Amino acid sequence: AQKVTQAQTEISVVEKEDVTLDCVYETRDTTYYLFWYKQPPSGELVFLIRRNSFDEQNEISGRYSWNFQKSTSSFNFTITASQVVDSAVYFCALSEAGSGNTGKLIFGQGTTLQVKP
Amino acid sequence: EAQVTQNPRYLITVTGKKLTVTCSQNMNHEYMSWYRQDPGLGLRQIYYSMNVEVTDKGDVPEGYKVSRKEKRNFPLILESPSPNQTSLYFCASSPSSGYYGYTFGSGTRLTVV
Repeated sequence: AQKVTQAQTEISVVEKEDVTLDCVYETRDTTYYLFWYKQPPSGELVFLIRRNSFDEQNEISGRYSWNFQKSTSSFNFTITASQVVDSAVYFCALSEAGSGNTGKLIFGQGTTLQVKP
Repeated sequence: EAQVTQNPRYLITVTGKKLTVTCSQNMNHEYMSWYRQDPGLGLRQIYYSMNVEVTDKGDVPEGYKVSRKEKRNFPLILESPSPNQTSLYFCASSPSSGYYGYTFGSGTRLTVV
């Protein structure tokens, strides 16, 4: 069965600290897609990154970086030098490409990140 | 600007009064979907549509209807809303399911009293 686990419910850091948000997933499909979304206090869901199961390259985008490891079924997200504007709920999500694919996103429960000035 | 537009953003209604939440995308996406977000239950798929006139149930379809008569529009219909449908609703679209990722609308916060 598919499942996404974000074990950290809430994280609080002080501005400029680095922070890593953990994501562990379960799937039987060999082809799948992983995502991170940000939900700021205003409520919308903002797409951050998509990663395919056959592409294990890590990615860096400004202060954001992602570490995808198939061996441990993890897709962790690191914010370097955090800022107050990074305060939000972050969701990791999984979509499977196998037969019967419905395009459904399976979301983790989310990690609430609070960055204090 | 490429976007998914949901209306209304906020709605308070009474039990049993039919309502429609509209969703429109301007990216010519084939795939559209509705989710609801609830504290402790997270985000769950209600319905999805692979293309025009093709819709199917997600995980929590009870009490909802959808239609996909045009590619750009995917309204969510609550024929007889009940308080347990109080939630934050999101519409999402994608060029096709999964591979390209999803663009979400800004959300509709619905309260049924």
